[in-house]
Amino acid sequence: SQTIHQWPATLVQPVGSPLSLECTVEGTSNPNLYWYRQAAGRGLQLLFYSVGIGQISSEVPQNLSASRPQDRQFILSSKKLLLSDSGFYLCACLTGLPTDTQYFGPGTRLTVL
Amino acid sequence: KNQVEQSPQSLIILEGKNCTLQCNYTVSPFSNLRWYKQDTGRGPVSLTIMTFSENTKSNGRYTATLDADTKQSSLHITASQLSDSASYICVVSPNFDYGGSQGNLIFGKGTKLSVKP
Repeated sequence: SQTIHQWPATLVQPVGSPLSLECTVEGTSNPNLYWYRQAAGRGLQLLFYSVGIGQISSEVPQNLSASRPQDRQFILSSKKLLLSDSGFYLCACLTGLPTDTQYFGPGTRLTVL
Repeated sequence: KNQVEQSPQSLIILEGKNCTLQCNYTVSPFSNLRWYKQDTGRGPVSLTIMTFSENTKSNGRYTATLDADTKQSSLHITASQLSDSASYICVVSPNFDYGGSQGNLIFGKGTKLSVKP
């Protein structure tokens, strides 16, 4: 079965600093990969998804970017963090049929001060 | 506009009691509906997934129901345990590309369940 790794687990960064969150997937090949953000008391917001290496789709305009340099690696980045970037970031992958279930990583808690 | 609304927003029950969480959606066309459990500070974990043709799906003490006509789903938890304390999220996929592979899953805001001893 697939396993999703995310690091770091927690991160505290000053406003204006860069960001790099990494997600790697094991146990599956050619997965669809997703980055979500979950603000306190709010639902999950889809930020980016990728259906293959180098293919990134952005769902909302924002201060963040994503890259997929390898089949099972998905990176979330920012050149200059904003206070509003604070939140819980989740990476997810989608397996194929028959279960067709989206599996989530453990998440990264980002606090921008 | 495609939306998923969950109720109640939060719920407190005593250990051993049953409870039912509600999910109403206005997503069309509808492909499938999932319930996830999210422990605090952790990623969501899938409980059930139902297509539009399924009425019920069970996973241990969790039973999900779906009424595609009224666009309502419920998650029933039987004989609650302290470990059931978590947020429960309803997610709807609006496309028939079975799984929302184009990134169009629609998430509810969740119901926060607290089970007290």
